[in-house]
Amino acid sequence: AQKVTQAQTEISVVEKEDVTLDCVYETRDTTYYLFWYKQPPSGELVFLIRRNSFDEQNEISGRYSWNFQKSTSSFNFTITASQVVDSAVYFCALSEAGSGNTGKLIFGQGTTLQVKP
Amino acid sequence: DADVTQTPRNRITKTGKRIMLECSQTKGHDRMYWYRQDPGLGLRLIYYSFDVKDINKGEISDGYSVSRQAQAKFSLSLESAIPNQTALYFCATSGSDRKPTGELFFGEGSRLTVL
Repeated sequence: AQKVTQAQTEISVVEKEDVTLDCVYETRDTTYYLFWYKQPPSGELVFLIRRNSFDEQNEISGRYSWNFQKSTSSFNFTITASQVVDSAVYFCALSEAGSGNTGKLIFGQGTTLQVKP
Repeated sequence: DADVTQTPRNRITKTGKRIMLECSQTKGHDRMYWYRQDPGLGLRLIYYSFDVKDINKGEISDGYSVSRQAQAKFSLSLESAIPNQTALYFCATSGSDRKPTGELFFGEGSRLTVL
């Protein structure tokens, strides 16, 4: 069965600190996609990144970086020099892309990040 | 205007009332989904539809029904609302590529409170 676990329920940091959000997933498929979404206090879901299972290269986008390690089934998200505007709930999600897949996303429980000034 | 529009955005109702949440999209996508978000549980899939004639139950369909009135419209109904259906509901769409990548496009959410 597919599962996504975000063990950190809440994280609180002071502005300019680096913070890493953990994501561990379970799947039997060899082809799958991993996602991160951000949900700011306004409530909408903002797409951050998609990574397919064949691409283990780490990715950096500004202050955001993602570390994908198939060996540990993890897809961690790091925010460097955090800012108050980074305060949000962050979701990791998994989609299996094998034959017959439905395109459904399986979400983790979410991690609430609070960045204090 | 948003590509995926949900109405109403906020609704307060009483136990036993019938409620409909509506979703319309202008992305031309075939696939549409309804998710429910509860604190500490993430988002869970209620129903999904691949086209007007294809509707499927998700992880938590009990107490809900859906209607795909057209390619662009997908409604979620609570026939007799109960307090534990208080949640934030999201509609989402995705393209119908032969090998979909799972990337979903979400509406802004509908916050439902059942008293």
